[in-house]
Amino acid sequence: DFQMTQSPSTLSASVGDRVTITCRASQGISDWLAWYQQKPGKAPKLLIYKASTLESGVPSRFSGSGSETEFTLTISSLQPDDFATYYCQQYLTFGQGTKVEIK
Amino acid sequence: QITLKESGPTLVKPTQTLTLTCTFSGFSLSTSGVAVGWIRQPPGKALEWLALIFWDDDKRYSPSRGAGLTITKDTSKNQVVLTMTNVDPVDTATYYCAHMKPSSWYGMDVWGQGTTVIVSS
Repeated sequence: DFQMTQSPSTLSASVGDRVTITCRASQGISDWLAWYQQKPGKAPKLLIYKASTLESGVPSRFSGSGSETEFTLTISSLQPDDFATYYCQQYLTFGQGTKVEIK
Repeated sequence: QITLKESGPTLVKPTQTLTLTCTFSGFSLSTSGVAVGWIRQPPGKALEWLALIFWDDDKRYSPSRGAGLTITKDTSKNQVVLTMTNVDPVDTATYYCAHMKPSSWYGMDVWGQGTTVIVSS
């Protein structure tokens, strides 16, 4: 079965930190990858699609990279509004999520 | 402005059939490249894809929960309906519908607020 493995599951960081989240696919998927941010009790928000294309209105501190089996979401300087859970998604599969907590 | 809203029963008994409706506005599901999908999230758990329907009526189902799922669209009513047969308590979750814009590589850019479904006798 195809799987997306996201790491870490939890990340503790401070405002201003550079944060990186990784998603690995069990087989090559070209650049068919999206990243979402979800806050408690809210619907997910699309941040990035096609591995590195920033969705309209998303701050430029968010960036995505990678191809085939390894992908990263980077937040260049963590802001208070960024503490949330992040998910990667390929086709019809989501990763398990990464919760970004205040250190 | 694109909006989507989910509706359906809050409480369903095990083995029953669950029917959820996504009513949307601000786009047409007959426009090339557009799709609407259903995603769910059990309490405290990760997102899980269920089904996706394209403008041309092509459909995709999750391999993990595909059995018993049917997705349909009514373009004239701007609605997408998901039916799930033989529900189980593990199907308790918040169910979201979401819009996929053309050329977004399955990225879902607008989501509904979600509807909570509890499966219990």
